[in-house]
Amino acid sequence: GAVVSQHPSRVICKSGTSVKIECRSLDFQATTMFWYRQFPKQSLMLMATSNEGSKATYEQGVEKDKFLINHASLTLSTLTVTSAHPEDSSFYICSARVQGSYNSPLHFGNGTRLTVT
Amino acid sequence: ILNVEQSPQSLHVQEGDSTNFTCSFPSSNFYALHWYRWETAKSPEALFVMTLNGDEKKKGRISATLNTKEGYSYLYIKGSQPEDSATYLCAPSDDYKLSFGAGTTVTVRA
Repeated sequence: GAVVSQHPSRVICKSGTSVKIECRSLDFQATTMFWYRQFPKQSLMLMATSNEGSKATYEQGVEKDKFLINHASLTLSTLTVTSAHPEDSSFYICSARVQGSYNSPLHFGNGTRLTVT
Repeated sequence: ILNVEQSPQSLHVQEGDSTNFTCSFPSSNFYALHWYRWETAKSPEALFVMTLNGDEKKKGRISATLNTKEGYSYLYIKGSQPEDSATYLCAPSDDYKLSFGAGTTVTVRA
């Protein structure tokens, strides 16, 4: 149980285009999902917290107009990288909890490797 | 976002040997400490969530201890096997958000 599906796993796009990444909880409902980014040899950095039916909460330094998050249902959150540039090339991964408390583990998708040319 | 340090960054261990590594985190405003195992081409998998000072948790040959007063946790692998090769991430939680360390990458040599 507690499966999170993320799609696509890899995407290559041209500079200036937008890319949408989907994160689905397959067998549970997730009112909150978390989007992380990882640069090579660095840790997973929280970008934003996606809240079902309301606006996402962005971490300091993350541009909300560039990284659009939509959480329209209890099982789907999307991250859209708008007007992508080569510096946006990174590994993006989503996660969710079955229960909302801090001592409940996160369940992760498989991640998306974004390359902007 | 909390400052989390994991050491060593990587280690190699012979099959059958035991090993351990550390996670250091701020001891103030502590809620929980998570450990995850991340194998190549897979998603991170939760190993333990620990909340109380002195907690010890075990899952098969893997165990972890927690010291919230001084802000550290150890993860132990007993009798390492090739399938234990992975990156192990720790992540303290200050309320509902987790802050991840860069991980310790374990390579078990047959």
